[in-house]
Amino acid sequence: DIQMTQSPSTLSASVGDRVTITCRASQSISRWLAWYQQKPGKVPKLLMYDASSLESGVPSRFSGSGSGTEFTLTISSLQPDDFATYYCQQYNSNLYTFGQGTKLEIK
Amino acid sequence: EVQLVESGGHLVQPGRSLRLSCVASGFTFDDYAMHWVRQVPGKGLEWVSGITWKSGNTAYADSVKGRFTISRDNAKNSLYLQMNSLRDEDTALYYCAKDNSKEGFGYLGYWGQGTLVTVSS
Repeated sequence: DIQMTQSPSTLSASVGDRVTITCRASQSISRWLAWYQQKPGKVPKLLMYDASSLESGVPSRFSGSGSGTEFTLTISSLQPDDFATYYCQQYNSNLYTFGQGTKLEIK
Repeated sequence: EVQLVESGGHLVQPGRSLRLSCVASGFTFDDYAMHWVRQVPGKGLEWVSGITWKSGNTAYADSVKGRFTISRDNAKNSLYLQMNSLRDEDTALYYCAKDNSKEGFGYLGYWGQGTLVTVSS
């Protein structure tokens, strides 16, 4: 199975900061990677797919990049609504796997 | 509007069985693969199982293989998860999720609100 490892596990940042979350796959997944945002008590929300495609309705301050085994999710200027947990997920294999999550906290 | 509504979760003893259901609306159900994803409260997401549009292919996480069975009834716009030999570690919120493709290998664009399964004696 493909393992997905996110870093950091927790990230403390301030409104207006630029932040980057990294996701590494244990083997190449081409560009078959999605990013989700989840707030406490809420359903995961799709942010990005195919590594760098922005889901409709998601603010343009979110961007994704990478291919192969290393991927990043960047928020260019943090807004109060962005403090949440972020997950990457690979769909290169029919055995989908998620990263362990990155909790983005207010500094 | 896409809607996915799960049901069937409740308190069950270890070793017993449970069947979860997910009713879909707002899209052509039989055009898409579907999945179950679970989350222990306060923990991360774990993909459980997926099924292609015509039920031709199914896949399972190692943690549930041989115990859980995914199925769908396209005539009823419904997805199911038969859970047998339940264990304490199966306790979680179970989400139904829509794949963006027919054959799987797609991202999960829509999620239900989840149904809570608690396995405890």
